[in-house]
Amino acid sequence: KNQVEQSPQSLIILEGKNCTLQCNYTVSPFSNLRWYKQDTGRGPVSLTIMTFSENTKSNGRYTATLDADTKQSSLHITASQLSDSASYICVVSAGAGSYQLTFGKGTKLSVIP
Amino acid sequence: SQTIHQWPATLVQPVGSPLSLECTVEGTSNPNLYWYRQAAGRGLQLLFYSVGIGQISSEVPQNLSASRPQDRQFILSSKKLLLSDSGFYLCAWDQSGSSYNEQFFGPGTRLTVL
Repeated sequence: KNQVEQSPQSLIILEGKNCTLQCNYTVSPFSNLRWYKQDTGRGPVSLTIMTFSENTKSNGRYTATLDADTKQSSLHITASQLSDSASYICVVSAGAGSYQLTFGKGTKLSVIP
Repeated sequence: SQTIHQWPATLVQPVGSPLSLECTVEGTSNPNLYWYRQAAGRGLQLLFYSVGIGQISSEVPQNLSASRPQDRQFILSSKKLLLSDSGFYLCAWDQSGSSYNEQFFGPGTRLTVL
C-alpha cells in the first residue's frame, strides 16, 4: 500500500528561526513529489514539485530536498515568518494522473513572535 | 490566469438532508477535476475525479455522488447526509497532458452535519 509519513506532526518555532520538516514515502512507481502549504481553512497551495532526477528545489525561503534512493524528502524553511504558520503537506505521485496522488497528513507549523 | 471557485464556503446541514456543492474553474479548458475530503488529523482523501464532461470516476464507495454537467463545472451531491459526511471538501483541477500534473485547489467548503 502506498504511504506518505510526515514528521513531526506539529512544530512550534520562534520567528526568524529555521526549521526542517520530514517526509518518508513508500510509493511505487514514483513520478514526482510535491510540497503544499495549507493555511487554516483554506485550500493547499503548491510550493515545489520534484521529479526523480531533482535533488533540491527552492521557492523563496522554502527549499525542498529529495533522496529517491532512501525515499525521503525534507522541506527547509529559512528565517521563518509569522505568515509561515500553516500545515505543510507532502504529496507523492505514482504516475501521470493526479488520481494517483498519496497525501501525507501534514505537519502543523506554528511560528510565534 | 486560472481561478477556481467553490461555494458555499461553509454549510451546516441536518442528518438526512440533501447536499450540493459546486466548483467552477475559469481560464482553462478541458481540465481534470477532483473532489477531495479532508477530515481532521487525516490526509486528503480523493472522492471523485473527472477527465471530461459526464465522465466520473469514484475512488471510494460512499454516500456521495459527483457530476460534471459542463466542461469547467463539477458538482458534489448527496441525497441524504450522514454525520460522517462532515469535513472540509476541496475541489481541485489540473491540466491533462502536462508533465507534472500540478494540481490547483479551491478555497474549500466546510460542511458540518448535525
